[in-house]
Amino acid sequence: GDSVTQMEGPVTLSEEAFLTINCTYTATGYPSLFWYVQYPGEGLQLLLKATKADDKGSNKGFEATYRKETTSFHLEKGSVQVSDSAVYFCALRGSGGSNYKLTFGKGTLLTVNP
Amino acid sequence: AAGVIQSPRHLIKEKRETATLKCYPIPRHDTVYWYQQGPGQDPQFLISFYEKMQSDKGSIPDRFSAQQFSDYHSELNMSSLELGDSALYFCASSLVGVHSYEQYFGPGTRLTVT
Repeated sequence: GDSVTQMEGPVTLSEEAFLTINCTYTATGYPSLFWYVQYPGEGLQLLLKATKADDKGSNKGFEATYRKETTSFHLEKGSVQVSDSAVYFCALRGSGGSNYKLTFGKGTLLTVNP
Repeated sequence: AAGVIQSPRHLIKEKRETATLKCYPIPRHDTVYWYQQGPGQDPQFLISFYEKMQSDKGSIPDRFSAQQFSDYHSELNMSSLELGDSALYFCASSLVGVHSYEQYFGPGTRLTVT
């Protein structure tokens, strides 16, 4: 079945540091890929998405590129802020039939210190 | 813009009791998904409905049931509650065929079983 493997955390960075959170996936066909962010005590918010190979999703300074050859969708940000502290989930949606459910990675806790 | 509404936001029940969680999707969205997120865990897909019919089923215990009503809201019914059912329950909605079936999440219902 579909699966997502995400870089284990926690990740602690200083403000303005470069962020990379690795994500690789296993799926049949051509899944869509997503990054969700969860702030403390809140729900899941879609951060960015990519629906086909070589697509780059971007939002709020975050970027991720759908790499089919390496089955990866790594999240990057050039300069993190304290307000980026949250849990980040990589997720995929399968491409077959009515399989619209999301499969999530384990999540990566990011803490950014001033 | 209207978001997904979930009620109640917090619920405390004792073992062997029943609980009903409600979800009101974004207006005009035709698909509802339920996810369970245990403490420190990734969200796990439970069940989904498209146009009031069950469309997919995940790791939902037999003690749980769900349905989607004519106004598209959905209810997750949980019986014979166990301590292990304590979790954050998310509802998400989407409009099939639009925006790559992007799912929008509600704030979640935190269920505590004592």
